[in-house]
Amino acid sequence: DAKTTQPPSMDCAEGRAANLPCNHSTISGNEYVYWYRQIHSQGPQYIIHGLKNNETNEMASLIITEDRKSSTLILPHATLRDTAVYYCIVRANNNDMRFGAGTRLTVKP
Amino acid sequence: NAGVMQNPRHLVRRRGQEARLRCSPMKGHSHVYWYRQLPEEGLKFMVYLQKENIIDESGMPKERFSAEFPKEGPSILRIQQVVRGDSAAYFCASSSSGRDTQYFGPGTRLTVL
Repeated sequence: DAKTTQPPSMDCAEGRAANLPCNHSTISGNEYVYWYRQIHSQGPQYIIHGLKNNETNEMASLIITEDRKSSTLILPHATLRDTAVYYCIVRANNNDMRFGAGTRLTVKP
Repeated sequence: NAGVMQNPRHLVRRRGQEARLRCSPMKGHSHVYWYRQLPEEGLKFMVYLQKENIIDESGMPKERFSAEFPKEGPSILRIQQVVRGDSAAYFCASSSSGRDTQYFGPGTRLTVL
């Protein structure tokens, strides 16, 4: 699986959009981009994933660049409960996922 | 729909004892994955199982650790002769196939005294 690079931490004001970047310059054509988050020490929560098209669900939007070397997770209206560590993972259609250090997002009132 | 269930949520063992961690996948899921998270670190893959088969155990320590997923019942992660370095959170995830999204349980926090 390709490696990902994320900023270690970010702050966001409550009610504003949180844009979390991820670089995956060595991604292969069959690898998906997945986003999970972990609140406190809870189990990781699935957010969204995509291959090459932008995706949106009730939680977030995922924007993948045309060359697929980077992506951005967008939380449109961040709340205090969105404070968590966000993990960007690239994964082929196989088994395990490689979690990096993620981005610690702090939503501030 | 019940999500992935893990028990116990907290487990305390003394050095040298055995720890058994259980994971019940989501309904309809037959693929189970175990991950370990040391304090202040990310999750590390340990093992991937389907019913009655170990598919990938490349992340499992060579000694003292074993996993199974029997035809009936939950998946079990077993740690024999625990040491303090085994203290961690152990997360289980499940999916409906090896290609699909993995959904995680709440984890078991193992403390070795």
